[in-house]
Amino acid sequence: GESVGLHLPTLSVQEGDNSIINCAYSNSASDYFIWYKQESGKGPQFIIDIRSNMDKRQGQRVTVLLNKTVKHLSLQIAATQPGDSAVYFCAEDPNAGGTSYGKLTFGQGTILTVHP
Amino acid sequence: KAGVTQTPRYLIKTRGQQVTLSCSPISGHRSVSWYQQTPGQGLQFLFEYFSETQRNKGNFPGRFSGRQFSNSRSEMNVSTLELGDSALYLCASSLLGQETYGYTFGSGTRLTVV
Repeated sequence: GESVGLHLPTLSVQEGDNSIINCAYSNSASDYFIWYKQESGKGPQFIIDIRSNMDKRQGQRVTVLLNKTVKHLSLQIAATQPGDSAVYFCAEDPNAGGTSYGKLTFGQGTILTVHP
Repeated sequence: KAGVTQTPRYLIKTRGQQVTLSCSPISGHRSVSWYQQTPGQGLQFLFEYFSETQRNKGNFPGRFSGRQFSNSRSEMNVSTLELGDSALYLCASSLLGQETYGYTFGSGTRLTVV
């Protein structure tokens, strides 16, 4: 049968703006979440993670927010730069308790384009 | 230190053939996971190996298999290739793999089946 490609959400911003990328996750039992950045021709690169006992975590220019009530994650990037242009994925560990053994469930991704 | 190395970077195969992809993890990492990335399905988990044992497996047909060697290097094999197997195959390594933080991905092998 014909395959239908994922229609990735896109976010276009100007250099220096703040960016917010959203993600809905599926498993209410997931207790660990990660944001990855994937540039063209490369594998996913770890950005920041958060555990379910937290609702906010900050890194360098990035902040992740977790709302377990509505199963929602967001990634905020401050002062977005052209080098931030990439596809951003959220991922969840579906087996709470550390038995997932490498299995992450990835979201569909969001394409971020930063214009100089 | 060197990152995760996947070889080859690009591969073109014909339907019905088989293919073997290789992954060398970060030195000292003992867990290796494999993922398939396609425009239609996104990133999907294939399997995970630790100390030469498969500990976890995704929902892929038996044509997809893997193994891990004593030096932690891993290979995955796809037999009887189908057009739908065209994808970017990614491996990721971790120290222990008991929890999924700390997985470092390679740049992948782009497989095209014609």
